Amino acid sequence: NAGVTQTPKFQVLKTGQSMTLQCAQDMNHNSMYWYRQDPGMGLRLIYYSASEGTTDKGEVPNGYNVSRLNKREFSLRLESAAPSQTSVYFCASSEGRTTWQQPQHFGDGTRLSIL
Amino acid sequence: ELKVEQNPLFLSMQEGKNYTIYCNYSTTSDRLYWYRQDPGKSLESLFVLLSNGAVKQEGRLMASLDTKARLSTLHITAAVHDLSATYFCAVDIKNYGGSQGNLIFGKGTKLSVKP
Repeated sequence: NAGVTQTPKFQVLKTGQSMTLQCAQDMNHNSMYWYRQDPGMGLRLIYYSASEGTTDKGEVPNGYNVSRLNKREFSLRLESAAPSQTSVYFCASSEGRTTWQQPQHFGDGTRLSIL
Repeated sequence: ELKVEQNPLFLSMQEGKNYTIYCNYSTTSDRLYWYRQDPGKSLESLFVLLSNGAVKQEGRLMASLDTKARLSTLHITAAVHDLSATYFCAVDIKNYGGSQGNLIFGKGTKLSVKP
């Protein structure tokens, strides 16, 4: 049972470079989420996709874009990386329609450093 | 502003002792989640609390929810070293116009259980 799979696990970028973080889930969940976690902080929602074909901004969307490629996959793109985007990024998924009855399931995270 | 505040943020306990972690939130919500995170790892769901007065127990951990006081507690009984981790509470903000499943996380309580 893979659950939520994120790639890559680690990445170092230079300021101004772009990259895409990939996330896939095999639980047939409708909703998917991208969070960032900074030292001493809880998780903050960047973007979410309540269902296939929809995406919405979360708490900290600036500097990011997302694509819900299909029901399984939800990618996060940094167009021009900045040092302030150094963080650990987590993807999560949940069933959706009755999502409040079940917790979100998280991937293992992508540790991103921007120099 | 929606806030989720945990205290304490750091907790050093001796094995065998009891302690309680508190999670206060500023919004009206009857959906609260507790997660555990080990260093360098992902988040693991512990409890889902969906109504006022809800109480859930798993092993040495017990969580409760008082929606009128906007307070959840995570009680640790007879702590053991394996419980050392960071514990997060998260509140569903759907009642505040957020989309289904949008969570606001506390900053986490880093628990260290020493022999």
